[in-house]
Amino acid sequence: NAGVMQNPRHLVRRRGQEARLRCSPMKGHSHVYWYRQLPEEGLKFMVYLQKENIIDESGMPKERFSAEFPKEGPSILRIQQVVRGDSAAYFCASSLKGGRALAQPQHFGDGTRLSIL
Amino acid sequence: DQQVKQNSPSLSVQEGRISILNCDYTNSMFDYFLWYKKYPAEGPTFLISISSIKDKNEDGRFTVFLNKSAKHLSLHIVPSQPGDSAVYFCAASATSGTYKYIFGTGTRLKVLA
Repeated sequence: NAGVMQNPRHLVRRRGQEARLRCSPMKGHSHVYWYRQLPEEGLKFMVYLQKENIIDESGMPKERFSAEFPKEGPSILRIQQVVRGDSAAYFCASSLKGGRALAQPQHFGDGTRLSIL
Repeated sequence: DQQVKQNSPSLSVQEGRISILNCDYTNSMFDYFLWYKKYPAEGPTFLISISSIKDKNEDGRFTVFLNKSAKHLSLHIVPSQPGDSAVYFCAASATSGTYKYIFGTGTRLKVLA
């Protein structure tokens, strides 16, 4: 999974705290996706961003979750006032093209494992 | 509403034999399909993909077959090697949409030496 960098790899928070997960896409990639994986489940789409724009946030919970991909710097997934149910592995992926362009596979980082005490 | 289903949670295969992993989908708008391999504590690694204009795509030991009428795809690994032991996810996407992937729940493949 060289290329897509996620940090931290592990994050522990207490209920009510904020969690910030970072993702730097592969070089040259301007499309970023966030997925969440609960234990024994597949990955569930959360949000798709291009630089400075949210394209599709249909998988994001309506409250407490937000994402951004600024012009400079990594994409950030932010979870406010975390609860036990937020414990999961959060994966970021990037692709060269997206939307209606020619299909390009998404390449994934190694994820951030979030644990809520 | 599970749009992509992998009905076999696990599969064991002898080294050197063929591994066949199956995936079914329900959404007829899906037209791009992928297989990923995942080791514990790592992210999914892209293996192979297929567009709906094809019914077969091959890359080395990996071949993906697509049966659009049955809404079914399969991944064949020949010959299977112990290093292939991992969880395999199929994913589907509608290229008319925003390219989000819908993943199955995975099949854990164990290749026995």
